[in-house]
Amino acid sequence: SSELTQDPTVSVVLGQTVRITCQGDSVRTYYANWYQKKPGQAPVLLIYGKNNRASGIPDRFSGSISGNTGSLTITGAQAEDEADYYCSCRDRSGDHMLFGEGTKLTVL
Amino acid sequence: QVQLVESGGGVVQPGTSLRLSCVATGFTFRSYAMNWVRQAPGAGLEWVAVVSYDGRNKYYADSVKGRFTISRDNSKDTMYLQMSSLRPEDTAVYYCARGALYCSEGSCYPFDQWGQGTLVTVSS
Repeated sequence: SSELTQDPTVSVVLGQTVRITCQGDSVRTYYANWYQKKPGQAPVLLIYGKNNRASGIPDRFSGSISGNTGSLTITGAQAEDEADYYCSCRDRSGDHMLFGEGTKLTVL
Repeated sequence: QVQLVESGGGVVQPGTSLRLSCVATGFTFRSYAMNWVRQAPGAGLEWVAVVSYDGRNKYYADSVKGRFTISRDNSKDTMYLQMSSLRPEDTAVYYCARGALYCSEGSCYPFDQWGQGTLVTVSS
């Protein structure tokens, strides 16, 4: 399969920990990169590679992988973390980039 | 600082053409591969195309292959997307993003810089 599957919606109580997952065959081969997207704004790179935070990204964001599932964890979610989150991974053919369908995070 | 600025969007009729531009500043443009990524209304992000740093290699999403052409002019620090035979389903905000389809030891180069996007509406 050349798709990346994400849960459409996830919610978290303010200050609690939430995990957003990304499942797909490509994730067995390549670490997923993670992006945050807020309405009307450009996407922002959060995590790349095994678990590297992009410049300026708070350390409450982290990445991990298990089998064909990559995960983005937010430890101590803040109100400003309410956004859409996308995983991305190169297709195993090597000439396409894939994005997951996106997960809408609600902070309660 | 790094800046990517898209332009060229607008309202067009189905079957017509449009060219988008992305001007880069704040980094050595000719050293980086560049991409177009779009987001249709109410939908997620969709990768559209990539062009290598030197313009020699280009790859496209199946949804646009044969209709869209990506290119770049390193003398002008500018990337382009020529869109032809436009369809209503091409309606989206189009973003340019810096990054390559290159992976090493399991880690893939991320799209680390993005523009603010330009809106393309295909409607009769």
